[in-house]
Amino acid sequence: DTGVSQNPRHKITKRGQNVTFRCDPISEHNRLYWYRQTLGQGPEFLTYFQNEAQLEKSRLLSDRFSAERPKGSFSTLEIQRTEQGDSAMYLCASSLGVGASGGAYNEQFFGPGTRLTVL
Amino acid sequence: QKEVEQNSGPLSVPEGAIASLNCTYSDRGSQSFFWYRQYSGKSPELIMSIYSNGDKEDGRFTAQLNKASQYVSLLIRDSQPSDSATYLCAVSGSARQLTFGSGTQLTVLP
Repeated sequence: DTGVSQNPRHKITKRGQNVTFRCDPISEHNRLYWYRQTLGQGPEFLTYFQNEAQLEKSRLLSDRFSAERPKGSFSTLEIQRTEQGDSAMYLCASSLGVGASGGAYNEQFFGPGTRLTVL
Repeated sequence: QKEVEQNSGPLSVPEGAIASLNCTYSDRGSQSFFWYRQYSGKSPELIMSIYSNGDKEDGRFTAQLNKASQYVSLLIRDSQPSDSATYLCAVSGSARQLTFGSGTQLTVLP
């Protein structure tokens, strides 16, 4: 399977705990994005990387949220001191990015998501 | 005003009919437009992308873009029960992230 993968698929945690999610993008894709989706809404952008550089992080929901992509391959999203309002589906997507022609550079393909439940 | 607006639905059509889904956006600098299909409990799946005014056809799907009216639509011909899902409109501009609408829930009745 050469699609975007995410782990874990489900995470149940208690309020106040830290959680970390992993995303492995499609191998030839330069760009990696994190989104959050709550029930009845479209995905909401959080942050994105081009290779290992985090080019946009102002949309991270608070300073409890952080993301890394240390070697330009997989990425992690960490939420510290979780709150019940953090319960949502966390989605990762990747795109070809620089080097692709036309608009295809920004076609984003999503992984299966990590569903977080904070008790 | 929301940046990307869609009719929330739900929209019901009989099997074999044409389903029409609409989307408007507020940012005139938007450059790329996408339709995603999302089944309940699953992640969004890209089904169409469009970048210039006019129509783009792919199988039973046709995307239509009118930048002057800031309007993008998706037509599904010969709708099948398997097309029942939420359809998300997404837009991006010079910033690479996608801005999504809230989605339109489509039900195709057998």
